[in-house]
Amino acid sequence: DIQMTQSPSSLSASVGDRVTITCRASQSISSYLNWYQQKPGKAPKLLIYAASNLQSEVPSRFSGSGSGTDFTLTISSLQPEDLATYYCQQTFSTPWTFGQGTKVEIK
Amino acid sequence: EVQLVESGGGLVQPGESLRLSCAVSGFTFSSYSISWVRQAPGKGLEWVSYISSSSSTRYYADSVKGRFTISRDNAKNSLYLQMTSLRAEDTAVYYCARASPYSGYVYFDYWGQGSLVTVSS
Repeated sequence: DIQMTQSPSSLSASVGDRVTITCRASQSISSYLNWYQQKPGKAPKLLIYAASNLQSEVPSRFSGSGSGTDFTLTISSLQPEDLATYYCQQTFSTPWTFGQGTKVEIK
Repeated sequence: EVQLVESGGGLVQPGESLRLSCAVSGFTFSSYSISWVRQAPGKGLEWVSYISSSSSTRYYADSVKGRFTISRDNAKNSLYLQMTSLRAEDTAVYYCARASPYSGYVYFDYWGQGSLVTVSS
């Protein structure tokens, strides 16, 4: 199975800050990497698919990059509504595994 | 509006069975693959199972293989997860999610609100 490791596990940042979350795969997954946002008590929401493609209606402050084993989700200017846990997911091969999540808090 | 609505969750004892349903609307169900994803209380996301649009392809996580069966009825716009020999570690919120393809890539673009399954004596 492909292991997905996110870092950090949690972070606290101020409104307007640039936030970066990293996801590393245990083997190359090309660009088969998705990012999801999950707000407390809610279902996950797709942000980025195929490593760098912004899902429709997702604010442009979210962006994704990377290929192979190393990927990044960037929030260019953190907003209060970005309080959530963020997950990466590989769909290169089954089982389609998720990272453990990164909890983003607002200072 | 795309909607996925799970139902069928509840409290069951270890070893018992339960069937989850996912009713879909707002898109052509028969054209899309669907997955189940679960989340244990306070934990992260775990992919559980996948079924292709025609039911020809099905995948399972090792943790549920042989115990869970995914199926769908395209005429009823519904997805199912038959869960047998339930264990305490199956306790989770179960989400159904639409699996959309993009040039060979797969991602889950719409999710239901989830259905809680609790396995406890």
